[in-house]
Amino acid sequence: KQEVTQIPAALSVPEGENLVLNCSFTDSAIYNLQWFRQDPGKGLTSLLLIQSSQREQTSGRLNASLDKSSGRSTLYIAASQPGDSATYLCAAPIKAAGNKLTFGGGTRVLVKP
Amino acid sequence: DAGITQSPRYKITETGRQVTLMCHQTWSHSYMFWYRQDLGHGLRLIYYSAAADITDKGEVPDGYVVSRSKTENFPLTLESATRSQTSVYFCASVDFGSGNTIYFGEGSWLTVV
Repeated sequence: KQEVTQIPAALSVPEGENLVLNCSFTDSAIYNLQWFRQDPGKGLTSLLLIQSSQREQTSGRLNASLDKSSGRSTLYIAASQPGDSATYLCAAPIKAAGNKLTFGGGTRVLVKP
Repeated sequence: DAGITQSPRYKITETGRQVTLMCHQTWSHSYMFWYRQDLGHGLRLIYYSAAADITDKGEVPDGYVVSRSKTENFPLTLESATRSQTSVYFCASVDFGSGNTIYFGEGSWLTVV
């Protein structure tokens, strides 16, 4: 069974600071690792997908790293903006039959102007 | 248009009534999932399906029934709605074997009065 943990649960930073969000998982036999963003009252939007053979993935100001051996992924958001305020979730689906896709509890981010 | 759609988006129902939430995806993804999201609990898996006619329980299946007669549809039924089932429900689909992104529906907001 895959267990996913996200720390911290909440984060508040002034505009312009870099954000660092952490995701830990217990089973390293993963297909990939995915980061999502959720705005209040909305659904989940995929941000980045890192395949199990990759070490990192970048999209604009977002960079996600993956270290399977330690069961960790980190999402970096450079030069944060108030529009980055949202909840960020990660998922690490495992290569196993009966795949119960579980998510971390999320990190709620507030970027203050 | 390709995608994953949920209906209804918003529903108010009375205690004891049967309610069905629909989920439809256009990619023929093998896996589909139903989650509920409540304040303080994050995303909790209700049921999932690995293929047509194959379903299994998640963390919080009590009071819910699912079926999957066709690959593209995965309806969730509340047999006798209770106030504790007031929540927002998300459907998701993915084809793990091809390392694809997990796609989410927009959510169904259900209030049981």
